[in-house]
Amino acid sequence: EVQLVESGGGLIQPGGSLRLSCTASGFTVISHYMTWVRQAPGKGLEWVSGVYSGGNTYYADFVTGRFTISRDNSRNTLYLQMNSLRVEDTAVYYCARVLGLKLFDHWGQGTQVTVSS
Amino acid sequence: QSALTQPASVSGSPGQSITISCTGTSGDLGVYNYVSWYQHHPGKAPKLIIYDVSDRPSGVSNRFSGSKSGSTASLTISGLEAEDEADYYCSSYTSSTTLPYVFGTGTKVTVL
Repeated sequence: EVQLVESGGGLIQPGGSLRLSCTASGFTVISHYMTWVRQAPGKGLEWVSGVYSGGNTYYADFVTGRFTISRDNSRNTLYLQMNSLRVEDTAVYYCARVLGLKLFDHWGQGTQVTVSS
Repeated sequence: QSALTQPASVSGSPGQSITISCTGTSGDLGVYNYVSWYQHHPGKAPKLIIYDVSDRPSGVSNRFSGSKSGSTASLTISGLEAEDEADYYCSSYTSSTTLPYVFGTGTKVTVL
């Protein structure tokens, strides 16, 4: 059974850093396009970043230069290193597997990130 | 690239049918048939219910159906049930290299 479990969220001050983790089971992370999607309070879903099976990484403009997506093959885990956090980064962050580059077929339950002084 | 436009809320009585629209642009829905829909119960993982405009993943009820015309996609829920009360989001692949996926604004479905 495919499962994704996020962790690492929390309360952090503006300018701070957090690293989110997404541990996968039932498949191998490096064989798929993996993404991070977030949902700010009262808002809809928003694509944040993705890493292809080949290793190429992509970021939404609003996180470019601040966030880094990566994978640990030995731990079958996806990461999102978030630096220079802003109040507007407050959201629930979900990791999701992408199939065929066109649909998000499995999601985690999300981890809450709150950026506040 | 802006979010796809959905109605904020749709409601219906048990057994009724409802339709949720999702309007995009020539950079997403207007050019790609990579439209998917997700059901999201707050606090839980979003669930894929429709992909490629109208296909259903294995295990998803056939009460859910999708369609598309031009830059507008639609999700229809037939025979509405209490468990269908949730938030629904559409999504599309886009022509943008910095934002390859765009989601809808979300629709809260209420079963009366």
